[in-house]
Amino acid sequence: EIVLTQSPGTLSLSPGERATLSCRASQSVSNSYLAWYQQKPGQAPRLLIYLASSRATDIPDRFSGSGSGTDFTLTISRLEPEDFAVYYCQQYGSSITFGGGTKVEIK
Amino acid sequence: HVQLVESGGGLVKPGGSLRLSCAASGFTLSDYDMTWIRQAPGKGLEWVSKITSSGGAKYYSDSVRGRFTISRDTAKNSLYLEMNTLRVDDTAVYYCARNGGTFDPWGQGTLVTVSS
Repeated sequence: EIVLTQSPGTLSLSPGERATLSCRASQSVSNSYLAWYQQKPGQAPRLLIYLASSRATDIPDRFSGSGSGTDFTLTISRLEPEDFAVYYCQQYGSSITFGGGTKVEIK
Repeated sequence: HVQLVESGGGLVKPGGSLRLSCAASGFTLSDYDMTWIRQAPGKGLEWVSKITSSGGAKYYSDSVRGRFTISRDTAKNSLYLEMNTLRVDDTAVYYCARNGGTFDPWGQGTLVTVSS
């Protein structure tokens, strides 16, 4: 099973700042089958990024994904108030696993 | 508008049973693989079970295999999760999701609480 480790656990930033979230896999994720989700309190997760760098439908371009192999990054270029949430990575190259999440909180 | 709506959650005693439903609208459920994912209170996401678009294959996580059964009713465009021999650590919000490798969309979730 591929284990995904997200860091940091919590990111404290101010609106307008840049957020950089990391997702590291215990082994290479085939075909960059890596996705990112956003979850706000009391809501279901929402797909942001698939295939490591492709934005899902209606996702603003301030969200971008990058990486390959075992190291992946989600970047939010300028944080909007609605972006403060928990973010999960998920790999689908070998079965399905999720990372433990990164909480982006208001500083 | 593509939408998934879960129902059937509630409070059940350890060892009890519960059946969750997920009604799909805006798309034909049998055209897609479908999945159940759960989230324990304050915790992360855990994949639970998947049924393929053909209905011919069903998969389960080690933690629920032998206790949970995934199924669907094409006439009702609905997905189900039959949960037996429930344990305290099955307590979670259960989400259904359309599965294309990634999960999109998700339902709003239904809370299952297993407690004496």
